[in-house]
Amino acid sequence: AQSVTQLGSHVSVSEGALVLLRCNYSSSVPPYLFWYVQYPNQGLQLLLKYTSAATLVKGINGFEAEFKKSETSFHLTKPSAHMSDAAEYFCAVMPSGGSYIPTFGRGTSLIVHP
Amino acid sequence: DGGITQSPKYLFRKEGQNVTLSCEQNLNHDAMYWYRQDPGQGLRLIYYSQIVNDFQKGDIAEGYSVSREKKESFPLTVTSAQKNPTAFYLCASSPQGKGYTFGSGTRLTVV
Repeated sequence: AQSVTQLGSHVSVSEGALVLLRCNYSSSVPPYLFWYVQYPNQGLQLLLKYTSAATLVKGINGFEAEFKKSETSFHLTKPSAHMSDAAEYFCAVMPSGGSYIPTFGRGTSLIVHP
Repeated sequence: DGGITQSPKYLFRKEGQNVTLSCEQNLNHDAMYWYRQDPGQGLRLIYYSQIVNDFQKGDIAEGYSVSREKKESFPLTVTSAQKNPTAFYLCASSPQGKGYTFGSGTRLTVV
């Protein structure tokens, strides 16, 4: 079984400030982990993914995430927020073998203030 | 460019009607999926298909039906048995284990 918890349904930052979106997971087998971004009335776009290679993963738009097995976490960060980063962010976990069906978190809405 | 096309973008359904949402991909992906998205609930899996002519129920399949006659196409029918169909529906495809590619979604509203 697998599950994902995203801490905070809403995160508010000022433009230029650090972005930190939290994701904790549980998985009975080594996981693949993903972060997706969704803009209003659009589908989800893959930001980055961890598939058991380097634990620090760099993605698009300046985002990165670090896989920490001991903490079962995969938090998403960006050093400096931009207004265009305002969107909904979803963390997902998928077992590394088997059905390849991911489980999504409930999402975190990132609000960026000027 | 390769991608997933969902149509229509907006759809209105009357009580008691069946409606079909289209999903087409030209990515040559084996697996395709349908999700329902409601505010604050994330994505919930309706049906998925990992090969042509085969599909499995997800977590909330009641009131929905699908078919997979071609690799490129995975239409979803929302039947009259689905009592609360108003939602945002997302189709996705995957080359098995390498992350999803999503369509742009269909917003279904009951009128």
